[in-house]
Amino acid sequence: KQEVTQIPAALSVPEGENLVLNCSFTDSAIYNLQWFRQDPGKGLTSLLLIQSSQREQTSGRLNASLDKSSGRSTLYIAASQPGDSATYLCAVRGSQGGSEKLVFGKGMKLTVNP
Amino acid sequence: NAGVTQTPKFRILKIGQSMTLQCAQDMNHNYMYWYRQDPGMGLKLIYYSVGAGITDKGEVPNGYNVSRSTTEDFPLRLELAAPSQTSVYFCASSSSGTSGVEQYFGPGTRLTVT
Repeated sequence: KQEVTQIPAALSVPEGENLVLNCSFTDSAIYNLQWFRQDPGKGLTSLLLIQSSQREQTSGRLNASLDKSSGRSTLYIAASQPGDSATYLCAVRGSQGGSEKLVFGKGMKLTVNP
Repeated sequence: NAGVTQTPKFRILKIGQSMTLQCAQDMNHNYMYWYRQDPGMGLKLIYYSVGAGITDKGEVPNGYNVSRSTTEDFPLRLELAAPSQTSVYFCASSSSGTSGVEQYFGPGTRLTVT
């Protein structure tokens, strides 16, 4: 059974720091891995999607990497801003039975202080 | 495009009552999903559909029912509401089941059963 872990559960940093958010998963048979942002009381916004054949994806100040063999992904946020404060979730989509579903981590709550 | 829309935004139910959570998408997506998110937890899949007339159970289907009569709509039915169904419910959609396709999420319905 696929399990997704995000550690730490919360992080508080001063503005301007470069950040690395970690995500690990137990089964390397995945179609893709997706990073989401969730603001309080809101839905999920997709940030980046990495297919299993890819090593990384970039969007603006965000860069996500994928190491399928070790079951890890990182989301790198450059020059963090208070507007980056939110909960970040990663989710993997399996490539075997039940491949339609995403398996989510519990998320990491990020606070960027001015 | 409105994307994925959900109604209502909030609802309070008494134990034993029933209700239907509405979900609609205007992106002509074949795949639709229902997730629930409990406090401090990731999302868990309740039901999903790969096209009109086709539905299947996810990880936590007990106490729920779905139907998919059109491509656009995917309602979730709660019968005999229980306190354990207090949660935030998210509907999502994607264009297909292939690896490069993102899931798009609605804003959620916050349900309290007392």
